Amino acid sequence: DVKVTQSSRYLVKRTGEKVFLECVQDMDHENMFWYRQDPGLGLRLIYFSYDVKMKEKGDIPEGYSVSREKKERFSLILESASTNQTSMYLCASSPIAGVGADTQYFGPGTRLTVL
Amino acid sequence: QQPVQSPQAVILREGEDAVINCSSSKALYSVHWYRQKHGEAPVFLMILLKGGEQKGHDKISASFNEKKQQSSLYLTASQLSYSGTYFCGTEYTFGNEKLTFGTGTRLTIIP
Repeated sequence: DVKVTQSSRYLVKRTGEKVFLECVQDMDHENMFWYRQDPGLGLRLIYFSYDVKMKEKGDIPEGYSVSREKKERFSLILESASTNQTSMYLCASSPIAGVGADTQYFGPGTRLTVL
Repeated sequence: QQPVQSPQAVILREGEDAVINCSSSKALYSVHWYRQKHGEAPVFLMILLKGGEQKGHDKISASFNEKKQQSSLYLTASQLSYSGTYFCGTEYTFGNEKLTFGTGTRLTIIP
C-alpha cells in the first residue's frame, strides 16, 4: 500500500515564526503536492513538484515556499506564519501515468494553528 | 478556477439515492472523484476521461459529459459508510499532472 506520512497531526505556532511541514511518501512517486483545506473552500493547491528540485506554483502560493531535495520528501515552508494560514494542510503524491493525471494518495493532514 | 459542486450538503436515509454534480467553466480533459470521511485523508474513487464515459464501482458510478463540461457522481441505495465529503478534481490540461478540486459536497447518511 502507498503510504504518505506527514510529520505532525497538530501544530501550534506563533505569528512570525518559521514553520516547516514535512511529507514523505514510500512509493517512489514522481509527483508531490501540498494543499490547504478550509471549510467551504475545498482543497486548494499551494505548490506541486514533479521531480527532485523542481516545483511549480499552484493556485495559492503566496506566503509559502517548498523544498524537494529527495524524491520521497516534500517540505512546505511558511517563512513568517500569519493567523490567516491557520488551516488543515494535506500532502499528496502520485505517479506519472503518461495518460494524464493519475490517482493522488493523501497523507493524514497537519492541522496548523497560528496564534 | 475551481469547479462548482452541487449540492453543498445533503442528508439522506439509508437506501436512498444521491447525485452529486461537478461543473466547470473550462474544457476538461478528465474528472477525478474522491471521498473524505471525517478526520481522514481523501481517498480516490474513480477517474473519468473525456469521451462521455460512465464508470461504476459497486453502487457508486459516475458520468462525464464533455460537451457540458460537467460530471455527476451517482450513489445508489446509499449505505451508512457512504457518509463523508465528496470532491471532484478536474484536469484541464493533459500532461499537467495536477488537479483543481471543487469545494466539496458533504453527504450524511442516517439510519
